[in-house]
Parts: sequence; structure tokens; C-alpha cells
Amino acid sequence: DAGVIQSPRHEVTEMGQEVTLRCKPISGHDYLFWYRQTMMRGLELLIYFNNNVPIDDSGMPEDRFSAKMPNASFSTLKIQPSEPRDSAVYFCASSRYPGNTGELFFGEGSRLTVL
Amino acid sequence: AQSVTQLDSHVSVSEGTPVLLRCNYSSSYSPSLFWYVQHPNKGLQLLLKYTSAATLVKGINGFEAEFKKSETSFHLTKPSAHMSDAAEYFCVVSGGDSSYKLIFGSGTRLLVRP
Repeated sequence: DAGVIQSPRHEVTEMGQEVTLRCKPISGHDYLFWYRQTMMRGLELLIYFNNNVPIDDSGMPEDRFSAKMPNASFSTLKIQPSEPRDSAVYFCASSRYPGNTGELFFGEGSRLTVL
Repeated sequence: AQSVTQLDSHVSVSEGTPVLLRCNYSSSYSPSLFWYVQHPNKGLQLLLKYTSAATLVKGINGFEAEFKKSETSFHLTKPSAHMSDAAEYFCVVSGGDSSYKLIFGSGTRLLVRP
């Protein structure tokens, strides 16, 4: 069975450009999470969805960030306009019962560099 | 509020020697605790989890961790390090008002010398 699939794996863009990161969760997983990883701040939860509905977006840095999940097999994280401080690795993770079982399945990440 | 503190940012061991990665937690609820591993340029993978059953938890690849409530610790150990264990390890806590929100520690990078 395929794991969580993220694209692109690497993205280099210039400040002010729009960036769209994509995620395909594992089939049958009802929860989807977007995390950001930086050296300074470690792993931060940005937003998570349950059954395609955003449940908690309190970690989204500001209005420049938006996330959608139009169906159970696809989610996007969009940054518009991008800034150099958005440079990070963005991970998507999915889970069937994340609660106290804590098992999230992570994709390999999208490394974003904003010049 | 829940939090975890990983006491060492880097740990270096020789192949074949024991591994100890330290983690202390803070939680106002009965916590669930986890260790995740991240190999270079890869996503994170669950190593093991504690969810109020046995206090000694065994995970994959020979790792285990012991939940000690009196010390608020959840240290990760392995009797004999292998070169393939070189990676970053994250101690994680969940629970509380939203158990779906995992709180990750800052990570410990394990280096294994030949």
C-alpha cells in the first residue's frame, strides 16, 4: 500500500510568488495534518482536517497561508505571497485514529526555499 | 499544557554500545507518549508508544522506553547501537483537551561511530 505522497519534493521560488504544496493521504485515513519543520522552531502543527473538514487551523502563521481538502484523497497548502521566512520542510501526515494512539504516517516532505 | 523536553540535542555512540536518549514531559493530564524517528530526507516514523498500559514499552528495531511517572521521564534506550540507527529522534506527547494535537520535542540527533 502506498504511503502518504507529497509533491513537489523540492521547490525553489522567489519572494512574492505563490506556492502550492500537495498531499495524497493513505486511503481510508480520516485525519490529515500539515506540519512545518525548521531548525529554529522544530516541528509545528499548522492545521488538521477530519473527514475533509478543517478542525484546527490555529497553527497557520498568517493569512498568507491557506489549506484545503476538497476530497478524501487530496489536500493542498498554499502560500501567497511567499516570503523568505517561509523556507522550511512541510510535512503532510495522515491517520485513521490519531487520538491517543498517536500514530501518524508522514510523507517525505516538501522542502521549500524562498529566495 | 503539555510539553516535552529532550535533554540532549546530539548524542554520539560507538556501534555496538548502548543508546540512551532522554526525554522529560510535562502534562496536566494522563499523558500518551511516543518516540518518532526521522532518517535524513525522510518523513517521521513511529518507533513506539505509551498509552497507560505497561510502563516498559518495546518498539521497532530493538528500541524500548520506560514511562516513569515519579520522574516525569520517558527515556529511549537500545542495548546495542547499529550504524542504521543514525537519525533524529523526537519525543512526543499528546492528550489533554485535544489529543489529536501531538506536541513534538526539539529532537535528538544520534550519531553512530564505526
